[in-house]
Amino acid sequence: GQQLNQSPQSMFIQEGEDVSMNCTSSSIFNTWLWYKQDPGEGPVLLIALYKAGELTSNGRLTAQFGITRKDSFLNISASIPSDVGIYFCAGRGTSYGKLTFGQGTILTVHP
Amino acid sequence: DGGITQSPKYLFRKEGQNVTLSCEQNLNHDAMYWYRQDPGQGLRLIYYSQIVNDFQKGDIAEGYSVSREKKESFPLTVTSAQKNPTAFYLCASRVWGERQPQHFGDGTRLSIL
Repeated sequence: GQQLNQSPQSMFIQEGEDVSMNCTSSSIFNTWLWYKQDPGEGPVLLIALYKAGELTSNGRLTAQFGITRKDSFLNISASIPSDVGIYFCAGRGTSYGKLTFGQGTILTVHP
Repeated sequence: DGGITQSPKYLFRKEGQNVTLSCEQNLNHDAMYWYRQDPGQGLRLIYYSQIVNDFQKGDIAEGYSVSREKKESFPLTVTSAQKNPTAFYLCASRVWGERQPQHFGDGTRLSIL
């Protein structure tokens, strides 16, 4: 089945620093989604990408759908303490197919 | 307010007991999903339903059962056949179509007594 490799597994950064994380797939995806999960809560959708090469921003967050359709990255600029949480990528191979999730990146921001 | 409601937030199961987790959505979404999340791992799909009265097994369906009698409801039963049920369970839904992302409820944490 489809596999997603998300990296890094965890990050420890200082407030104000920029953050970058990425996901790579063993197969082509038509959709990339990025979610954030706070402890004990459900994931919240941050950014959705539907076209190869697409670059989309949501405030301090920017995500890109890789040209090869096998990867995506998420950048967070000028991190703040409330950015702490687990970030997941998810991909879908066909428009109506199931989502495959990465293992998550745990982000810790030190004030 | 529109959204996906999971209940209860915390649930405890005795050995040999079946328990049912509730998931209700008022977003008029066609498709609904159940995922299991274990510490340090991504989400794994248990069951999903594209339409009322129809559902499909996901990657880890053994020991679980579902029903979809109403569009807004998709309950998950964790049966006694599931030998390692302790996990965080997440329900999601979406409009069935291209370019429609999944949205999640706040989860139910199931523990064994």
